[in-house]
Amino acid sequence: DVVLTQTPSILSATIGQSVSISCRSSQSLLDSDGNTYLYWFLQRPGQSPQRLIYLVSNLGSGVPNRFSGSGSGTDFTLKISGVEAEDLGVYYCMQATHAPLTFGSGTKLEIK
Amino acid sequence: EVQLVESGGGLVQPGASLKLSCVASGFTFSDYWMSWVRQTPGKTMEWIGDIKYDGSYTNYAPSLKNRFTISRDNAKSTLYLQMSNVRSEDTATYYCTGSSDYWGQGVMVTVSS
Repeated sequence: DVVLTQTPSILSATIGQSVSISCRSSQSLLDSDGNTYLYWFLQRPGQSPQRLIYLVSNLGSGVPNRFSGSGSGTDFTLKISGVEAEDLGVYYCMQATHAPLTFGSGTKLEIK
Repeated sequence: EVQLVESGGGLVQPGASLKLSCVASGFTFSDYWMSWVRQTPGKTMEWIGDIKYDGSYTNYAPSLKNRFTISRDNAKSTLYLQMSNVRSEDTATYYCTGSSDYWGQGVMVTVSS
């Protein structure tokens, strides 16, 4: 199975600060069809996950543009440009290039 | 408004069977691959499997393939997860998801004697 390693596991930020989360894969996530099936989700406390980013860098519907995704191959990054209070929660990356789909272990974002 | 509503969870004994349901509304259910994902009490996310929009094809996590079965009824806009011979390690919150874009609120399953 593909292992996704997220760092850091805990991230503390002030309102307005820009932060980044890394997701590194044990295998390249570039599919033979040319797509890279790497996604980012946010799970707010007590809620189900919400998709933020799909195919590495595409913003999900209704997701604020302070969120952005980048990367290729095995290294990917989620950036939040100006953290807001509603951004607290746990961020997960997920890959769907290789079966079975796998998730990272999560990054908890705390607001100082 | 898109809604996915799971049901059928609860406390079950080891070795028992359980069937979860997920009723969809607000989008064209029959156009979407649907999946089940579970989250353990320690917050680990695990993909269980998925089913093609017409129900003709399913994929499973290898570790669960022999005990879990995913099916759907497009006429009822409903996704199912049949769980058999459940174990304590199946204790989790189970989510249905539509192509990872839409998620239900989750249903808890606790396996304990």
